[in-house]
Formats: sequence, C-alpha cells, structure tokens
Amino acid sequence: ILNVEQSPQSLHVQEGDSTNFTCSFPSSNFYALHWYRWETAKSPEALFVMTLNGDEKKKGRISATLNTKEGYSYLYIKGSQPEDSATYLCAPGGGDDKIIFGKGTRLHILP
Amino acid sequence: DAGVIQSPRHEVTEMGQEVTLRCKPISGHNSLFWYRQTMMRGLELLIYFNNNVPIDDSGMPEDRFSAKMPNASFSTLKIQPSEPRDSAVYFCASRRGRDNEQFFGPGTRLTVL
Repeated sequence: ILNVEQSPQSLHVQEGDSTNFTCSFPSSNFYALHWYRWETAKSPEALFVMTLNGDEKKKGRISATLNTKEGYSYLYIKGSQPEDSATYLCAPGGGDDKIIFGKGTRLHILP
Repeated sequence: DAGVIQSPRHEVTEMGQEVTLRCKPISGHNSLFWYRQTMMRGLELLIYFNNNVPIDDSGMPEDRFSAKMPNASFSTLKIQPSEPRDSAVYFCASRRGRDNEQFFGPGTRLTVL
C-alpha cells in the first residue's frame, strides 16, 4: 500500500461544530486501517485500528468508519473542542506488518 | 509500563560525525519501527523489525543509515557519517501483532550542523 491520500490537508472549525475528514487508500491487499492523533511537539497516539469492511468505532466524541471495498475511511468529530486541535493521520496496512502514514489532516479549532 | 523509550531526546552534532539513536520497545511487543518526520515527507517509515529480524529496510535513505535489533528490548539507528539533511525528528514505535495499535516513543530531535 503506497498511495494514502488524506483530505483536506488543513481544516478550521468553530468550537462546538462537528466535522469530518477522509482517508483514501488502495483497496487491494488491505489488512487494517489505523487512525492516529498527533499534537504538536508530541508523539502520534493511536485512536482506532479497524479491519472489517463496514466497521465503525467510537471513542468519546470521535468516531470512524471503514469501507475496504472502495478504499476509504472517514473520521468524525462531534462538537469540536479546543483540545481536538491536532493533526489526524491515517495509516493503512497490507499483508505485511508495516503501515504507511498519510500526510494527515491538520485540524484547528477556533474559539 | 514506561512506554517506548528513546534516547537521546535531542542530539546536536557536526557534519561527518556518527550518530546513534536508541530505542527500547514496550515489553511483549514483537514489531519495532523506525520513522523519520520531515516537512516534505511527513512520517516516513525507514525500517521495521519483526521478532528482532529486519523485514523491510526499503525506506532507509542511504547506506549511511543502518539499524540493528540485537534483542527484543533494544534497537539502534545509526547514521555514519551524518549530514545536515539528516536533521529531523526520528521516532521509534512498537506493536504486538498486526491488529493492534502502534505505540510511539517521544522521538529524538537530531540537528546536524
């Protein structure tokens, strides 16, 4: 899996609003899809690991869906808060053990 | 658990010097990954190990870069000789199995003058 596209690259959202962004990846040789949250000057932190088509996972106000047949995943944030400001990375993995990170969506929450 | 441990946290060196970055993965994790963060390429996989064996080093930029994992609790990434373009943050991450999340270390910020 080489081509991981995340859109948009950057996003400004008003505090309290909900938002979502996309990760696209080749659907062939897919094994798992990882989502990570990366705050400035820190290390990436795992949010979700999904493997099944149609899977949906939720952690608090953040949720993600997975479509392995068409090769995309959505990440949703409900009621954005200032602490949600970060870069969100997706990383699909294939038949081997490695996962390839996208460039990320940089989310800015406006007070 | 202390998480993934990396040392040093910061390294400033002069061009031509050898640099060694160290990583201790989380106990019980059987896969270890070395990444480099740059503005141009984002988070770039350099090499990964499975059960201490190097599986894919296709991301290692040049022969100046080498990595070892002599045992399950220790890995090194060496750059010799270092160049200014090697300046970046280097992350180590570990994972148990393919279905699980990766845990990242705090990173080593390398500056080559």
